[in-house]
Amino acid sequence: GAVVSQHPSRVICKSGTSVKIECRSLDFQATTMFWYRQFPKQSLMLMATSNEGSKATYEQGVEKDKFLINHASLTLSTLTVTSAHPEDSSFYICSARDRAGAGSYEQYFGPGTRLTVT
Amino acid sequence: AQTVTQSQPEMSVQEAETVTLSCTYDTSESDYYLFWYKQPPSRQMILVIRQEAYKQQNATENRFSVNFQKAAKSFSLKISDSQLGDAAMYFCAYRDSNYQLIWGAGTKLIIKP
Repeated sequence: GAVVSQHPSRVICKSGTSVKIECRSLDFQATTMFWYRQFPKQSLMLMATSNEGSKATYEQGVEKDKFLINHASLTLSTLTVTSAHPEDSSFYICSARDRAGAGSYEQYFGPGTRLTVT
Repeated sequence: AQTVTQSQPEMSVQEAETVTLSCTYDTSESDYYLFWYKQPPSRQMILVIRQEAYKQQNATENRFSVNFQKAAKSFSLKISDSQLGDAAMYFCAYRDSNYQLIWGAGTKLIIKP
């Protein structure tokens, strides 16, 4: 089946530093990748949609200068949290949509990244 | 805009029994997809079942089945023969024309041994 990986799974960083989270589709090409944020005991909140080779589309209220998204290839998207603050601590999940084939309507999810900003 | 509502924050069921999780949605589109995802304590999102709106037949995956009522905009999930491994958060989701998922608030399912 389609597999999406995320790295790191957990990261602790100091306030004011930047941290990068990678999202990779391991066995398929991802036309589109999605980045979500999930607060404890809540649903997923879509942050942005990224298409390979183009700028990401951010949801209302998400600061594009703070959450930098790059989708440089069909298998890799990165989310960089710049100048992180404690309120950025959260669980970040990426998902990828298969470029073609029977699974084109489905998003495949990464295992998530727990970010803690101290 | 589309919305998805899960009115049951928490449900519990005895092991081996059947439980139904509710989901309603609102949309003006006629063709769309609906999904149920499971998120266990590991927090990995797992697709449980999908339903294409133009298909009248309810989707079934082993012990999991849906009751899709398009006119009522209802999409409930039935879990038969509940197992301890079914304990998780269950999210209902609607896929819009941009392939974005609109999520419900989730239902925590507790399995009593």
